[in-house]
Amino acid sequence: KQEVTQIPAALSVPEGENLVLNCSFTDSAIYNLQWFRQDPGKGLTSLLLIQSSQREQTSGRLNASLDKSSGRSTLYIAASQPGDSATYLCAHWGFGNEKLTFGTGTRLTIIP
Amino acid sequence: SAVISQKPSRDICQRGTSLTIQCQVDSQVTMMFWYRQQPGQSLTLIATANQGSEATYESGFVIDKFPISRPNLTFSTLTVSNMSPEDSSIYLCSVGKGTGDAEKLFFGSGTQLSVL
Repeated sequence: KQEVTQIPAALSVPEGENLVLNCSFTDSAIYNLQWFRQDPGKGLTSLLLIQSSQREQTSGRLNASLDKSSGRSTLYIAASQPGDSATYLCAHWGFGNEKLTFGTGTRLTIIP
Repeated sequence: SAVISQKPSRDICQRGTSLTIQCQVDSQVTMMFWYRQQPGQSLTLIATANQGSEATYESGFVIDKFPISRPNLTFSTLTVSNMSPEDSSIYLCSVGKGTGDAEKLFFGSGTQLSVL
């Protein structure tokens, strides 16, 4: 059974710093990987999708990378802002599996 | 992309009652997914709803407790029946857009349910 782990579970950093969030999965046979953010009590907002043939995707201050061989994905946030405070979740489709497996999430707090 | 309208956004309910959550999508989609997120936890898939057929439930979830309707390609409802405090969670609907490994999942704004 695929397990997806995100470490750390919580992270606090001062505004303006660059930071990296980690996502580890046990089975390297993943189809694609998607990063989301979730504000408290709300739904999920899609941030980036890395397709199976890709190694990274960028959107604004966000960069997500995928290394299937090591079972890891990272989300890099540059020049962090208080508005980046949220819980960040990674999730992936497996081959032949029509449902997403979600990570445990990292709760990020940016300190003004 | 997809715009998903989910309601209610939150509700406080009494034990033993039922709540129906509605999800409206701005475009036609084949599959809609219903998730539950218990306090402090990640998301767990409840069921997958296809238009014109019965929903497919994940292990640990049953139709009597979580009946789902899917009357057309843009709408679905999830009912949480005979609620208990253990049902207090955020419930989310989602749809996939795109094909193959470009398929991306989009979510509604969630329904925060508290059962007293």
